[in-house]
Amino acid sequence: AQTVTQSQPEMSVQEAETVTLSCTYDTSESDYYLFWYKQPPSRQMILVIRQEAYKQQNATENRFSVNFQKAAKSFSLKISDSQLGDAAMYFCAYRRDNAGNMLTFGGGTRLMVKP
Amino acid sequence: ETGVTQTPRHLVMGMTNKKSLKCEQHLGHNAMYWYKQSAKKPLELMFVYNFKEQTENNSVPSRFSPECPNSSHLFLHLHTLQPEDSALYLCASSQAAGGAPNSPLHFGNGTRLTVT
Repeated sequence: AQTVTQSQPEMSVQEAETVTLSCTYDTSESDYYLFWYKQPPSRQMILVIRQEAYKQQNATENRFSVNFQKAAKSFSLKISDSQLGDAAMYFCAYRRDNAGNMLTFGGGTRLMVKP
Repeated sequence: ETGVTQTPRHLVMGMTNKKSLKCEQHLGHNAMYWYKQSAKKPLELMFVYNFKEQTENNSVPSRFSPECPNSSHLFLHLHTLQPEDSALYLCASSQAAGGAPNSPLHFGNGTRLTVT
């Protein structure tokens, strides 16, 4: 079974600084997809960024980028120029290919942004 | 407007009560999901419906009974719950359960359930 591990229960960053959230996963599959979701106090899970395992290039969405290391099974999220609105729970998720939208989530990292 | 609306936002119920959670999506999606988010545990997939047909039941106890009358609505009927069932229940939708990740999940704001 696939597992997703987020080893940092909490992280803190100064406004305008950069922070990196860690995620590792365990799978025997070669084709799969990885996601980062943000859950603010409103509780709605919002997709931040996604990465296809067959793509070597790291995904980027504005201030958010990932460092995908397939051999190491690592998928970290970098947030640049952190803003107060970035404060939230962040969840890493895995989906194997042809598995519909059935995601396996990590335990989450709470990000605090200091003004 | 999130596109996926869940009601009620909060629910407190006794162990002998029967209640229902409602989810409605306005995105034209064909797949809907129930997830359970407990404190200090990762999100757990409970049920998946694809074109109104249940395609996944992740070993969920029978005291949780889902219903999907059409592609836009999803219910979770609750009866004789236990205190450990207290959690945030999140509904999500996507274009189709077998789709590529270009059809990402869209979540609602969840129902915070407390079983007393």
